[in-house]
Amino acid sequence: EDQVTQSPEALRLQEGESSSLNCSYTVSGLRGLFWYRQDPGKGPEFLFTLYSAGEEKEKERLKATLTKKESFLHITAPKPEDSATYLCAVQGLSGGSNYKLTFGKGTLLTVNP
Amino acid sequence: DAGVTQSPTHLIKTRGQQVTLRCSPKSGHDTVSWYQQALGQGPQFIFQYYEEEERQRGNFPDRFSGHQFPNYSSELNVNALLLGDSALYLCASSLTGGAPFFGPGTRLTVL
Repeated sequence: EDQVTQSPEALRLQEGESSSLNCSYTVSGLRGLFWYRQDPGKGPEFLFTLYSAGEEKEKERLKATLTKKESFLHITAPKPEDSATYLCAVQGLSGGSNYKLTFGKGTLLTVNP
Repeated sequence: DAGVTQSPTHLIKTRGQQVTLRCSPKSGHDTVSWYQQALGQGPQFIFQYYEEEERQRGNFPDRFSGHQFPNYSSELNVNALLLGDSALYLCASSLTGGAPFFGPGTRLTVL
């Protein structure tokens, strides 16, 4: 069964203070690893898909990286508007999980001005 | 270009009732998945529809059923509602093999 563990559960940063969020996963063959941002009471907003170890993707202040066991979401010089819950999800290759996403519980990021 | 839309936004039901939630996928997408998100948790996969057939199902009881229409829109039906069914219900659409895009969700409260 696919599993995703995100850490920390909550992270509080000062504006401009860079940090990283961790997503550890176990899956029998990785089809893709996804990062989403979710604001309170709203649906997740797609950020990145990573497919293979060593891959990196960037968008504004966010950079996602992938190894065979974990992914990191690096936040450079964050602003208060980056405050949200960041969700990580995996999609496996095996027949029982090749269409669904398995999510972690998320990391609640708060950026103080 | 409209993204994924869901209706209604909020819904209040009592135990034992039945509910129908609706979803219109992003333009060009042919696959619809439904997820349940409890407070403080990540979304849990309910099922996925493609070509009007249920293609994969998560660990949810038969009280949860769905349908996909020829225009790719979808419905989620939940029968015999329980207090534990209170959650945010998310619809996600994708093009086969692509990343899922989520709608704003329907907040269901069961009293």
